[in-house]
Amino acid sequence: LAKTTQPISMDSYEGQEVNITCSHNNIATNDYITWYQQFPSQGPRFIIQGYKTKVTNEVASLFIPADRKSSTLSLPRVSLSDTAVYYCLVGSDSGNTPLVFGKGTRLSVIA
Amino acid sequence: DAGITQSPRHKVTETGTPVTLRCHQTENHRYMYWYRQDPGHGLRLIHYSYGVKDTDKGEVSDGYSVSRSKTEDFLLTLESATSSQTSVYFCAIRGRDPGNTIYFGEGSWLTVV
Repeated sequence: LAKTTQPISMDSYEGQEVNITCSHNNIATNDYITWYQQFPSQGPRFIIQGYKTKVTNEVASLFIPADRKSSTLSLPRVSLSDTAVYYCLVGSDSGNTPLVFGKGTRLSVIA
Repeated sequence: DAGITQSPRHKVTETGTPVTLRCHQTENHRYMYWYRQDPGHGLRLIHYSYGVKDTDKGEVSDGYSVSRSKTEDFLLTLESATSSQTSVYFCAIRGRDPGNTIYFGEGSWLTVV
């Protein structure tokens, strides 16, 4: 399972675009990259997933360079409600491999 | 929420007593996980299951045991609870998509006094 590295924390003002980068140098050919968001007192929830290039949904965009050794979650025009911990997870349908999360990135949005 | 229910949601217990947390899912997922989350540690995998009666240890399995006698239920047991096991426990299932999206339950808050 590819290990991931993310910044521990980030601060941003409301209305700004926030980019959180995850490093996964040992990503395997079949691995997908998935980002999760966690609010206090709740379980993490799925935000976005991608395999290569760029993926966009109503919440975020995910940029994946050609070598796939990193990925960047982009949150456009953040608001106070985007304050949360964001986790990057890399994996695929790899049988019985356990799914281990890193410590995530704590994003604080300031008014 | 992928049909995941955790029980109890909140529990206070005394040191040395056994505690069992239950995770129930309704969508016949094969893979199920138990995580604990503490300030400064993020999500840590305790045990996981890849089928009925098929389980394995995660990162922090000491003091915990699990059982999966049927597909829909994954039980986490603290044989003799300690104060260090005060935590919030999350159950999760692995989706069937190629990227193996994880879906979490709402969490069980356990306090050991």
